[in-house]
Amino acid sequence: GAVVSQHPSRVICKSGTSVKIECRSLDFQATTMFWYRQFPKQSLMLMATSNEGSKATYEQGVEKDKFLINHASLTLSTLTVTSAHPEDSSFYICSARDEGGAYNEQFFGPGTRLTVL
Amino acid sequence: AQSVTQPDIHITVSEGASLELRCNYSYGATPYLFWYVQSPGQGLQLLLKYFSGDTLVQGIKGFEAEFKRSQSSFNLRKPSVHWSDAAEYFCARRWNQGGKLIFGQGTELSVKP
Repeated sequence: GAVVSQHPSRVICKSGTSVKIECRSLDFQATTMFWYRQFPKQSLMLMATSNEGSKATYEQGVEKDKFLINHASLTLSTLTVTSAHPEDSSFYICSARDEGGAYNEQFFGPGTRLTVL
Repeated sequence: AQSVTQPDIHITVSEGASLELRCNYSYGATPYLFWYVQSPGQGLQLLLKYFSGDTLVQGIKGFEAEFKRSQSSFNLRKPSVHWSDAAEYFCARRWNQGGKLIFGQGTELSVKP
């Protein structure tokens, strides 16, 4: 089955530093990946759609300069949280769309827990 | 705007009892509907999906869901709940354009021994 990995699974950083999270599709190519944010006891909120070889599409209210997305290959998208602050602490989940499948299904990574001190 | 509603924030059932989790979606053509399960601190696992065809969909772990267009619903069911089913359950709809998923608020399931 289609597998999506995320790295790191957990990161703790100091306020003001930048953190990069990787999302990889392991056994399929994905021109489109999605980044979600999930606060405790809440649902997933789509932050942006990552498109291979082009700029990401951000959802309303998401700061593109704060959350930098790079999708440089068909199997890797990265999310960089720049100048992180405690309010950026959250669970970040990516998904990758398998366009080789019958229904363009999305497969989710295991998530990255970011804690900003 | 297209949306997904899960009316129940938290449900508790006894082990061995039946389960039904509710999901309603706003009107739209060709709904692509999904149910995901999330254990604490984990990513999402797809339980089942509906794209077209038979309105009763079978999924993994003994779950099923029925698409009812007249009620704009896609409720998840399981005839006999196991303690390991305790988790957060999300209903989702795929946005018609671009494949974006819109998630419901989630239902937390607790299982009593």
